[in-house]
Amino acid sequence: QKEVEQNSGPLSVPEGAIASLNCTYSDRVSQSFFWYRQYSGKSPELIMSIYSNGDKEDGRFTAQLNKASQYVSLLIRDSQPSDSATYLCAVITGGGNKLTFGTGTQLKVEL
Amino acid sequence: EAGVAQSPRYKIIEKRQSVAFWCNPISGHATLYWYQQILGQGPKLLIQFQNNGVVDDSQLPKDRFSAERLKGVDSTLKIQPAKLEDSAVYLCASSLRLAENTGELFFGEGSRLTVL
Repeated sequence: QKEVEQNSGPLSVPEGAIASLNCTYSDRVSQSFFWYRQYSGKSPELIMSIYSNGDKEDGRFTAQLNKASQYVSLLIRDSQPSDSATYLCAVITGGGNKLTFGTGTQLKVEL
Repeated sequence: EAGVAQSPRYKIIEKRQSVAFWCNPISGHATLYWYQQILGQGPKLLIQFQNNGVVDDSQLPKDRFSAERLKGVDSTLKIQPAKLEDSAVYLCASSLRLAENTGELFFGEGSRLTVL
């Protein structure tokens, strides 16, 4: 079982719709969760972090965490073509020292 | 504020040759990471330094890969001899403290390696 799992996609949504990206993790003691965005040919950049169960909102982005189900999600409201990128879920594992990434979900926002 | 600097940006070598990548982290950042990202996959941690000490190198293929962080600042990642499966982007990242404190890693532009 992979430490962090994501559907590779691509996930296609029309402009203005809500994009929903999902991630599961295997380490039950993980406490810190992150979403990174990576444009094609570029490096990852952090867009959201979440540490407690529930929702965390930042502009058009909402991160959701359910530790009992070991599930993290990212919602992007009013999706724009500029949101087209690969979204990487990352989890602190290994007793708190290592940031482990999933394979990423490619999002395509279509006009 | 200057970002994480990496060089070279691109490198093409034959299998069994050697290659070295250099990274200069953001000034004042104590933790430095080398990740390997193969096309279509997420970044995989190769080695993590806290100042000039190694925190994690469990996924570094030590028979061919080596890394050092001189004086707790710059770092070099070396591959010798290279294999075809080493073709990837090598990402250097830095953070102020250990990842567990902020999770905010700042990545360089990466060094793309092609092994023929």
